Amino acid sequence: AQSVSQHNHHVILSEAASLELGCNYSYGGTVNLFWYVQYPGQHLQLLLKYFSGDPLVKGIKGFEAEFIKSKFSFNLRKPSVQWSDTAEYFCAVSPTGGATNKLIFGTGTLLAVQP
Amino acid sequence: EAGVAQSPRYKIIEKRQSVAFWCNPISGHATLYWYQQILGQGPKLLIQFQNNGVVDDSQLPKDRFSAERLKGVDSTLKIQPAKLEDSAVYLCASSLGGLAGGSDTQYFGPGTRLTVL
Repeated sequence: AQSVSQHNHHVILSEAASLELGCNYSYGGTVNLFWYVQYPGQHLQLLLKYFSGDPLVKGIKGFEAEFIKSKFSFNLRKPSVQWSDTAEYFCAVSPTGGATNKLIFGTGTLLAVQP
Repeated sequence: EAGVAQSPRYKIIEKRQSVAFWCNPISGHATLYWYQQILGQGPKLLIQFQNNGVVDDSQLPKDRFSAERLKGVDSTLKIQPAKLEDSAVYLCASSLGGLAGGSDTQYFGPGTRLTVL
């Protein structure tokens, strides 16, 4: 069965600390990979995506993620977090090659950045 | 550009009652999705429309849930009768369409928070 695992459910960091959120997926075929973010009181919005090419992708607000195919991982990183990065982060995959564009989400990681 | 609109934002009903949610996608987006997000979980796809046709409804509990997109624009999702376990946020998303196989970026609305008592 297709699934996405986010191992960190809650993360608390101080401003300027580095961030890495883990994401692993289980699927036998090729996938596209996404990170979505939900700021307090706002809707889900796309942070970055990987379809093909350079496995290191850069998104908005200084975030980046690296696709490691051999590890089925797509970890999210930011070298120095800010208080405004406090949000819930969701990793998602979408199997390629079919008619559906279904997104399969992880359970999310709640990040709290302390000033 | 206007985003995905949803209404109502909040709804409280008693079990066995019916409820309906409305979604208006971004103008020009051919594909529309309904997701269910239960507290502590990630969103789960319920149904995907391409224009007014259903592409995927494999995870829609069809004995109580129904959805339609009659003119290929806005959509309604209905639950009848509701159960306690239907308490969740119902998210609508849309995408341009035409890019199958997971390559179409989805844009989400604010969601409707349903509480079933």
